[in-house]
Amino acid sequence: ENVMTQSPATLSVSPGERATLSCRASQSVITNLAWYQQKPGQAPRLLIYGASTRATGIPARFSGSGSGTEFTLTISSLQSEDSAVYYCQQYNNWPPFTFGGGTRVEIK
Amino acid sequence: EVQLVESGGGLVQPGGSLRLSCAASGFTFSSYEMNWVRQAPGKGLEWISYISSSGSPIYYADSVKGRFTISRDNANNSLFLQMDSLTVDDTAVYYCAGRPGAGYGLDVWGQGTTVTVSS
Repeated sequence: ENVMTQSPATLSVSPGERATLSCRASQSVITNLAWYQQKPGQAPRLLIYGASTRATGIPARFSGSGSGTEFTLTISSLQSEDSAVYYCQQYNNWPPFTFGGGTRVEIK
Repeated sequence: EVQLVESGGGLVQPGGSLRLSCAASGFTFSSYEMNWVRQAPGKGLEWISYISSSGSPIYYADSVKGRFTISRDNANNSLFLQMDSLTVDDTAVYYCAGRPGAGYGLDVWGQGTTVTVSS
């Protein structure tokens, strides 16, 4: 199983500042990686797939990068509505699809 | 509007069964690969089952293999999860989620249905 590890567990960022979230895979996933945003009481929402392609309707302040085993989600200028838990997921070595443990982004 | 709506959750005793349904609308369901993903209270996301657009192949997480059965009815735009031999560890919100094919993330999600296994 390809284990996905996210860091940090919690990130506190001021509005307008940059947030950088990391995701590491135990085996290469090439660029078969997605990022999701989940707000309390809501279903996850796809932000990024293919490591760097924004999903439909996702604001340009969200960007993804990386390949192989190291990936980054960057929120360039944090907005209050970006407070959420963010998950990475690999879909290269499956089954199973595996998710990271999540990073909680808090507004400072 | 693209939509997935789950139903069938509830309270069940350990060892019992439930059948979850997921109704799709607003997109070409028969072209989508579908999954069930669950989230235990206060925990992260756990993928539990996959079914291809045609209905085969099918895959399960080890945690549910032999107890859960995924199926779909493309004529009626519906996805199902038959859950048997339930344990307290199966308590979670269950989401159906789909993607248009390999190389894509899960871009359509339902709102979730809650399954509580308790005596």
